[in-house]
Amino acid sequence: NAGVTQTPKFQVLKTGQSMTLQCAQDMNHNSMYWYRQDPGMGLRLIYYSASEGTTDKGEVPNGYNVSRLNKREFSLRLESAAPSQTSVYFCASSELLRTTGNTIYFGEGSWLTVV
Amino acid sequence: RKEVEQDPGPFNVPEGATVAFNCTYSNSASQSFFWYRQDCRKEPKLLMSVYSSGNEDGRFTAQLNRASQYISLLIRDSKLSDSATYLCVVNEPSGSARQLTFGSGTQLTVLP
Repeated sequence: NAGVTQTPKFQVLKTGQSMTLQCAQDMNHNSMYWYRQDPGMGLRLIYYSASEGTTDKGEVPNGYNVSRLNKREFSLRLESAAPSQTSVYFCASSELLRTTGNTIYFGEGSWLTVV
Repeated sequence: RKEVEQDPGPFNVPEGATVAFNCTYSNSASQSFFWYRQDCRKEPKLLMSVYSSGNEDGRFTAQLNRASQYISLLIRDSKLSDSATYLCVVNEPSGSARQLTFGSGTQLTVLP
C-alpha cells in the first residue's frame, strides 16, 4: 500500500544549487499538491495540479517550479535554492468525493536544508 | 484574520481525560471539513471527516456548528498514543483542489 511516495527524504543544499523533489501516487487521484511546513506557519500550498496536464500556483510559489509528468507523478523543482527554502516539503494527492469533498493524502515528507 | 483558526495549545492532559479542540472558519459557504493528526516529524494523516450531523469513531467525536462556523473534536479516555498535533482542514465552496485550507494545528500531550 504505497499511497504517496516522495524522494528524497533528506537533502542538504548549498545556496544557489538546484534540485528536484519527486512525487508519485498510486491511488489514481486527479489532484496533486506540494506543500511546505514551517514551525508556527502550518501547511502552505506551493503549487497544485487539479488534473494531468494542468498546474497552478498556490500561496507561496516564488522560487519553485512544478511538472505534472503524468497522472501519477508531480515534481517540484528549486532552481536556485535559498536559505528561506529550508523547510519540510509534503507532496499530497486527493480524491473528490460527493459525500466528503476533497480528501487529501500525504507523502512522508522531504526535509530540505539550504546552507 | 486567518481563514481557519485553531488554538495552538499545548494541551497537556492526564491519561483517561476528555479533551476537546475547536476550529473556526471564516467562509460560511465552506462545504466539507476534516480532522487530521500529525505526529512529530511525520506527515498529516486523516483522522476523520466531519459530517453535518456529527459523527463518532470510537473515542473520537467530531461536530460541526455551521451557525457559529466552527468544528470540534472530542477525545474521550485519552491514551498516551493520542499525543500529536491535530489539524483541522476546511474545503471551500467549489470543492476544487485549490481550496483546501489548513489550520496551524493544536498540540496535545497526554501525560502518564
